[in-house]
Amino acid sequence: DTGVSQNPRHKITKRGQNVTFRCDPISEHNRLYWYRQTLGQGPEFLTYFQNEAQLEKSRLLSDRFSAERPKGSFSTLEIQRTEQGDSAMYLCASSSTPGTGGPGANVLTFGAGSRLTVL
Amino acid sequence: RKEVEQDPGPFNVPEGATVAFNCTYSNSASQSFFWYRQDCRKEPKLLMSVYSSGNEDGRFTAQLNRASQYISLLIRDSKLSDSATYLCVVNSHGGATNKLIFGTGTLLAVQP
Repeated sequence: DTGVSQNPRHKITKRGQNVTFRCDPISEHNRLYWYRQTLGQGPEFLTYFQNEAQLEKSRLLSDRFSAERPKGSFSTLEIQRTEQGDSAMYLCASSSTPGTGGPGANVLTFGAGSRLTVL
Repeated sequence: RKEVEQDPGPFNVPEGATVAFNCTYSNSASQSFFWYRQDCRKEPKLLMSVYSSGNEDGRFTAQLNRASQYISLLIRDSKLSDSATYLCVVNSHGGATNKLIFGTGTLLAVQP
């Protein structure tokens, strides 16, 4: 399977617990994005990496959220002290750098997502 | 004002109908535009990129009006399988950043 892989697919946790999601992007893609999606809304940008560098973080990403991509390959998104409002689908996507791969370079390929439910 | 705005719908149309979705964006510096499709409880997938000259892919036609900061998607001869949420996507271009901003999506339900 050469697509974007995310795990776990589902996570149910109690308020106050920490959770971590993992994303394995398409191997030749150097950009990796995290989005969050709630029911009836489009995906909301959280953060993105180019290789191992975190280039931008949204204001949505409070200090309870941290994302890493230590070797420029897989990435983790950790949420500390989860709150009920964190319940959402967390989507990871990857792409190649715009300008390096033709018209398709800025196209995001999404993983199936990790659904978080905070009780 | 949201960076990307779409009519959330739902659009309920009979099979064979032509349906059009509209989208406006606020960042005049945006360079890349896309339509993504999202099926229920699935991840978004690219439907088509939107080019300045307009582009067509089978029954789907996308148009871009930079002056009005407006993007459209036209679906001709709707099929039941076209039922999905259609997401308007615009890049937020500025310096080193190039994130993609999604609209809330427009829900299409094609009825038999």
